[in-house]
Amino acid sequence: EVQLVESGGGLVKPGGSLRLSCAASGFTLSLYTMTWVRQAPGKGLEWVSSISSTGSHIYYGDSLKGRFTISRDNAKNSLYLQMDSLRVEDMGVYYCVREGAPNFLRPNYFDFWGQGAPVTVSS
Amino acid sequence: SYVVTQPPSVSVAPGQTATIICGGDDIRGKSVHWYQQKPGQAPVLVLHDDNVRPSGIPERFSGSNSGNTASLTISGVEAGDEADYYCQVWDSRSDLVVFGGGTKLTVL
Repeated sequence: EVQLVESGGGLVKPGGSLRLSCAASGFTLSLYTMTWVRQAPGKGLEWVSSISSTGSHIYYGDSLKGRFTISRDNAKNSLYLQMDSLRVEDMGVYYCVREGAPNFLRPNYFDFWGQGAPVTVSS
Repeated sequence: SYVVTQPPSVSVAPGQTATIICGGDDIRGKSVHWYQQKPGQAPVLVLHDDNVRPSGIPERFSGSNSGNTASLTISGVEAGDEADYYCQVWDSRSDLVVFGGGTKLTVL
């Protein structure tokens, strides 16, 4: 059974940092592009970042470049999102998401979603 | 960057057919994917590549894509279909994933 379990969310002050982790199980992580998608309270889905299976290709949403860094450790079956210079508008639930087909170098569609890690940015 | 537009809400009576549209410039040239999200839950993929149903998704869910509009159609709508629905594409020109703003489906 595919499982994606996020951790590392919490309360942080504006300008602060958080590192989200996603523990993957039930499939071979090293075959899949992985993605972070976020959702602000009461709002729609927003793509954050994607990383190809080996980490050779990385993509970021327009508003996030330079502040967020995606990475992965296939040996540890883990995906990460380092979030720096956090703003109030970064607040929301962050989902770890699996690409729908293996061996895609870029994100296409997302077939498995974690339950999400809540991030609150407030002074 | 590429923009996809969805109506904020759609209402339908039980047993009827609901159609949710996703508009974008020449969207027929892109693969459109659809997600269902119920309150307090993570999204679920209901269609990918315009009209392909993942395992476990009922045949009542179907899709189409032509011109500037892609559509998700739910036939024989049930109370359990009430949810937010999002379309999503990959924009190869800008290397960005784009989500629509979401459509709230209300079953009357």
